[in-house]
Amino acid sequence: AQTVTQSQPEMSVQEAETVTLSCTYDTSESNYYLFWYKQPPSRQMILVIRQEAYKQQNATENRFSVNFQKAAKSFSLKISDSQLGDTAMYFCAFMKLPVGGTSYGKLTFGQGTILTVHP
Amino acid sequence: DSGVTQTPKHLITATGQRVTLRCSPRSGDLSVYWYQQSLDQGLQFLIQYYNGEERAKGNILERFSAQQFPDLHSELNLSSLELGDSALYFCASSVDRPPLHFGNGTRLTVT
Repeated sequence: AQTVTQSQPEMSVQEAETVTLSCTYDTSESNYYLFWYKQPPSRQMILVIRQEAYKQQNATENRFSVNFQKAAKSFSLKISDSQLGDTAMYFCAFMKLPVGGTSYGKLTFGQGTILTVHP
Repeated sequence: DSGVTQTPKHLITATGQRVTLRCSPRSGDLSVYWYQQSLDQGLQFLIQYYNGEERAKGNILERFSAQQFPDLHSELNLSSLELGDSALYFCASSVDRPPLHFGNGTRLTVT
């Protein structure tokens, strides 16, 4: 079974600064996806960024980038130029790739990190 | 807007009762997933359907059941409700490959 650990229950950052959220995972799989989802106070679950494990290049989406260290099983999220709208709970999630014709399965989530951006 | 529709947004009911949560996936998505989010358990996977068939089961209680209909919408039935069932229930859908797209959730309060 896979486990995802987010060791920072809460983080805060000043507007326009950079913050990094940590995530580690445990799996015996070699092919998988990793994701960061954002849950603002509106409680929507919004996909921030995703990374395929077979890709060595770190994913980037505008102000959001990841540092994917496969050997260390680490997947951190860096938010640059933080904005007030980035205030949310951030979840790291893991999904293994299907094998043998089975469908893609579930996402396994970490416990989340509450990020507060201060003006 | 993710394109996944969940109804109702809020539900308040008493212990012992039964409720049905509904989910309409994004157009073209064949897979539907149900998740429960509670303060103590975090986001827990309950069950997955693909094109009408159950594909995977997670930490779903025997008091809970789900189904996916021919038009691909899904329902999650929760019966003999207990206080501990109070949570946010999410539906997500995908075309059977990542990413999953989540609805806005149904907030269930059991009193």
